[in-house]
Parts: sequence; structure tokens; C-alpha cells
Amino acid sequence: DAGVIQSPRHEVTEMGQEVTLRCKPISGHNSLFWYRQTMMRGLELLIYFNNNVPIDDSGMPEDRFSAKMPNASFSTLKIQPSEPRDSAVYFCASTKTSGGSGTQYFGPGTRLTVL
Amino acid sequence: GQNIDQPTEMTATEGAIVQINCTYQTSGFNGLFWYQQHAGEAPTFLSYNVLDGLEEKGRFSSFLSRSKGYSYLLLKELQMKDSASYLCAGNQAGTALIFGKGTTLSVSS
Repeated sequence: DAGVIQSPRHEVTEMGQEVTLRCKPISGHNSLFWYRQTMMRGLELLIYFNNNVPIDDSGMPEDRFSAKMPNASFSTLKIQPSEPRDSAVYFCASTKTSGGSGTQYFGPGTRLTVL
Repeated sequence: GQNIDQPTEMTATEGAIVQINCTYQTSGFNGLFWYQQHAGEAPTFLSYNVLDGLEEKGRFSSFLSRSKGYSYLLLKELQMKDSASYLCAGNQAGTALIFGKGTTLSVSS
């Protein structure tokens, strides 16, 4: 079975540009999570969806960040406009358990660099 | 909110045994996960403890004491490939996992 798929794997952009990160969860999983990882702050939850509905977006840093899950097999995380402090690795993860508390399986991540 | 504390770094030698501790507030979690993350890669699931006691899985074992808010990951017969970050994560009902900042383990020959 395919794992969680993320694209792109690497993204380099200039400050002020829009960035869209994409995620395809494992088929049959009904919870999806977006995380950001930096050396300073570790792995931070940004938002999670259960059955395509956003449940907790308290980790989204500010209005520049938005996330959507239009169907069970696709989610996007958008940053507009991007800033250098957004540089990080962004992971998507999915789990079969409703409520978000089951074993999470992570995608390979998108390494974002904002110049 | 919940705090999860782990040592930042640990070092050990090949063949040795190392114990990575994780502490958290006792009022929160239903269970405790451990994930392994090699540099430049995604976290991968190692173990999950929902009951008190020791769970053994080959060279790796994980222990949980819910009353003490304490867990550890025990790695035996260390190998160079065990050099990685080890993340402890708490499981609260109805919410997403809460991760600690991870312990970076360096194994030398």
C-alpha cells in the first residue's frame, strides 16, 4: 500500500510569494494532520481534519496560513504571502482513528525555504 | 496545555543499552507513543503504550507509568543505524497527538 504522499519534496521561493503544499493521505484513513518542524520548536501541529472537516486549527500561526481538505484523498496547506520565518519542513500525517489520537503515519515532508 | 519533556541529546556506544526518558503531566494522556526520526526523514512509529508496564519489541522496549506521568524507551544492542531522534507523543482522547521536542541519540563505534 502507498504511504502518505506529499508534494513537492523541496520548495524554494522568495518572500511574498504564495506557496501550496499538497498531501494525499493513506486510503481509508479519516484523519489528516499538518505539522511544521524546525530545530527550535520541534514538531508543531498546525491543523487537523477528521472526515475532511477541520477540527483544530489553533496551531495555524496566522492568517497567512490556510488549509483545505476538499475530499478524503487530498489536502492542501497554503501560505500567502510567505516569509523567511516560514522556512521549515512541513509534514502531513494520517490515521485511521477518528478523533485524531491513533497511530499517525507521516509523509516524507516538504522542505520549504523562503528567501 | 500538556508539556512533554525529554532530554535534548544523548550519546552511547555500539552494543550498549540506552534509556530515553519522557515525562508529562499526569492529568492528560490516555497513552504514549514513541517515534523514530532519522535526519532528513519523516518520523516512523515505534511503539504505543496504553497500559502501565513494559512492552518489548525486539531490541526496543517501551515502558509507561500513567500515575507517575513517565515513560521510557529502552534500546538494547545499539547499532550505528540507531542514531536518530526519538520523539515521545501523548495521546489525549478527542485531540491530536502532542509531541515532545525529541531526543537526539548519537551512537559511536
